[in-house]
Amino acid sequence: DIQMTQSPSSLSASVGDRVTITCRASQGVASSLAWYQQKPGKVPKLLIYAASTLQSGVPSRFSGSGSGTDFTLTISSLQPEDVATYYCQKYNGAPITFGQGTRLEIK
Amino acid sequence: EVQLVESGGGLAQPGRSLRLSCAASGFSFDDYAMHWARQAPGKGLEWVSGINWKSGSVGYADSVQGRFTISRDDAKNSLYLQMNSLRPEDTALYYCVKGRGYSYAYDPWDYWGQGTLVTVSS
Repeated sequence: DIQMTQSPSSLSASVGDRVTITCRASQGVASSLAWYQQKPGKVPKLLIYAASTLQSGVPSRFSGSGSGTDFTLTISSLQPEDVATYYCQKYNGAPITFGQGTRLEIK
Repeated sequence: EVQLVESGGGLAQPGRSLRLSCAASGFSFDDYAMHWARQAPGKGLEWVSGINWKSGSVGYADSVQGRFTISRDDAKNSLYLQMNSLRPEDTALYYCVKGRGYSYAYDPWDYWGQGTLVTVSS
């Protein structure tokens, strides 16, 4: 099975900072990579799919890039409402797997 | 508005069974793949099972293969998960999730229910 590894596991940044989260696949997944945001006590929300396509309604400060094995989620200017855990997910065949999550806090 | 409402969770003893249901509304249910995912307390997300549109192909995580069965009733806009031989490690919040396309294995997920809690303990 393909393993998804996120880094860092947690990070703290200031409002207005540019934040980058990395996801690495143990084998190539082409562009079949999604990012989800889970705010405390809430259900996950799709942010990005196909590695770089922004889901409708998601603020443009979120962006994704990468293909194959290495992917990044970038928040161009961190906002207080972005406090959440972020997960990458690969979907190029079963089993569907997630990264372990990256917990983002405000400094 | 897409709505996914899970039910059927609760406390079960190890080795017993539970059946989860998900009532869907706000979209053309039979056009999309559906999934069950779970999240153990304080842990990350785990895919459990998925089913293609029109009750086509299904898939399971290795951790539940042979014990859980996913099914759908398009006439009732409902998704089900029959969980047999439950183990303590199955304890989690179980989410019903809508796929963004017709394939459970090749499409991302775009809507999640609020979840139903399953606790497996003696």
